[in-house]
Amino acid sequence: EAQVTQNPRYLITVTGKKLTVTCSQNMNHEYMSWYRQDPGLGLRQIYYSMNVEVTDKGDVPEGYKVSRKEKRNFPLILESPSPNQTSLYFCASSPTGLSDEQFFGPGTRLTVL
Amino acid sequence: AQKVTQAQTEISVVEKEDVTLDCVYETRDTTYYLFWYKQPPSGELVFLIRRNSFDEQNEISGRYSWNFQKSTSSFNFTITASQVVDSAVYFCALIEVGTNAGKSTFGDGTTLTVKP
Repeated sequence: EAQVTQNPRYLITVTGKKLTVTCSQNMNHEYMSWYRQDPGLGLRQIYYSMNVEVTDKGDVPEGYKVSRKEKRNFPLILESPSPNQTSLYFCASSPTGLSDEQFFGPGTRLTVL
Repeated sequence: AQKVTQAQTEISVVEKEDVTLDCVYETRDTTYYLFWYKQPPSGELVFLIRRNSFDEQNEISGRYSWNFQKSTSSFNFTITASQVVDSAVYFCALIEVGTNAGKSTFGDGTTLTVKP
């Protein structure tokens, strides 16, 4: 089944404890992206990647890191999480990142205490 | 910088009413793509439609229709004869093709509640 998977789905952590949210797609898509969703603020793009080894900042990249070493994986790294990073995170992929619809993962709900 | 505005935060209608969700965008690119996504209460994001900047034809898909007007930078979405299952958050999104190719901007979303 074609899908985008994210792990974990739920995470409660404490300030400053490094964490990684994994994202994987099995559709051979070139483009992958991370978003955060906060009430009343829609989805805001954190980072995106047009291809392997190519990543670009979205609108809210501060406090996050990403890497794209393989086409299928696009992990989101929070080196030192803070409470303001408590949010619902979505990973997405699409064939080219331009004219195509994005396929979204199920979301990761992160709480930073 | 690109921007997408969905001025209607929440809309409530009674079943069978028609409802239009507004979307206004800003971009300096001449080539771009506009999208609508639906997020039902279960939380997943579902693609509804895509439109490129050179195609101003309106589109109808069942009870859904979309009106793209480049002159007013709007891409509005109408649901005809709404149903309870249409209750969801709807997002309008813009992707540019130029300098920031791949950068994706979503509106804040419109929460639609359809009451029986």
